[in-house]
Parts: sequence; structure tokens; C-alpha cells
Amino acid sequence: AQSVTQPDIHITVSEGASLELRCNYSYGATPYLFWYVQSPGQGLQLLLKYFSGDTLVQGIKGFEAEFKRSQSSFNLRKPSVHWSDAAEYFCAVGGELYGGSQGNLIFGKGTKLSVKP
Amino acid sequence: NAGVTQTPKFQVLKTGQSMTLQCAQDMNHNSMYWYRQDPGMGLRLIYYSASEGTTDKGEVPNGYNVSRLNKREFSLRLESAAPSQTSVYFCASSFSGRGTDTQYFGPGTRLTVL
Repeated sequence: AQSVTQPDIHITVSEGASLELRCNYSYGATPYLFWYVQSPGQGLQLLLKYFSGDTLVQGIKGFEAEFKRSQSSFNLRKPSVHWSDAAEYFCAVGGELYGGSQGNLIFGKGTKLSVKP
Repeated sequence: NAGVTQTPKFQVLKTGQSMTLQCAQDMNHNSMYWYRQDPGMGLRLIYYSASEGTTDKGEVPNGYNVSRLNKREFSLRLESAAPSQTSVYFCASSFSGRGTDTQYFGPGTRLTVL
């Protein structure tokens, strides 16, 4: 069965510092991988996604993620964090639903990012 | 273009009461989804509708029913609410329902069952 693990529940970084959020997945075939961000009291917004091709994917708000098949990972990075990046981040894998080809998403449990001034 | 809208934003129910959460999208998407979000659990799929006229169970369907009213609207009903259904509920939609499609999320409904 597909699964997504985000090992870090809560991360605090200083404004201007670099950021890496970890995501590991379990999936039998080529995964479709997503990163979403949820600001407090808001819905989820797509940051970036990976299906195939170049393993380094650029997203919105200056985020990027790298797909590493050998490590079953899809880590999210940002070179310099801004206070407005404080939010919860969810990694998700798109896969098959009950043997079909429906595009369900399996979400990780999320990583909450706090930013120190 | 409002995207995905949900009503109500907040709701408090007593155990045993019923209610319907409404969701609508104006992006002409074919597929729609209902998730619940609980602290430390991420989002879990309750029901989905691949296209107008079809609905299927997701990971946690017990205690819920859904109706795909038309292409735009997908409602979630709690017939007899229980405290275990206290959660934040998100509706989402995608164009075709394929694994590669981006899902667009509504702002959520925060439900408390006393």
C-alpha cells in the first residue's frame, strides 16, 4: 500500500536561513508526488508536483523539491526562509485507489514550520 | 472565479444531530473529493466522485454519506453526528481524477460535535 512519511512534526528555522523538509514515500510504481502548504485557518495550496523527467522541480514561492528514487524521497527546500513561510507543509503521493486508476492522494501527517525573526 | 467554496465555515453539533456540508467548484472539474483533517493525522479521504453521477468510498467512509448533485456540487452528510467526527473537513476537485491531476482545495469547515 502507498504511504508517505514526514519524519519531522515541527521545525523551527530563523528568517533568512535555508530550509529542508523531508518526505519519504512507499509506492510500487512511478509515484506522482506533491507538496502542499496550509497557512493557519486556510485550505491547502499546491507548491509543486513531480511526475517524470527532471528530478529537480521548481515551485511557487521560491520552493523546490528533488525526487530521489534510490532513497524514495521527495524533500522540499528553500534557500532563504521568510516569516510568511510559517505554515504546515504536507507531502502527498498520488496513486491508485482500490486497484483502479483514480487519482486519490495519500498525505503525510505534515510538518509545521515556525520561523524565528 | 471562486475556485472551491465550502459552507459553513464553522459548525457546532450535539451528538446525534445531522447536518450537510456543502461544496461547490466553478472550474468545470469532473472529480471531487471530501477529506477530513485531524491533528497529527494529515488528510484522509472520506468519499470521492470521479464524475457526475458516481461516488465511491475512500479510506474513512463510516458515518458519512455523499451526494454529487451536479457537476459543480458535492455534499457530505452526517446522519447522526458523533464526537469522533469532530474534525476539519476539506472539499477538493480535480479536472479528470487521474493521479497526475492537481487537486484544488476549499477553505475547510471546522466541525465540533459535543
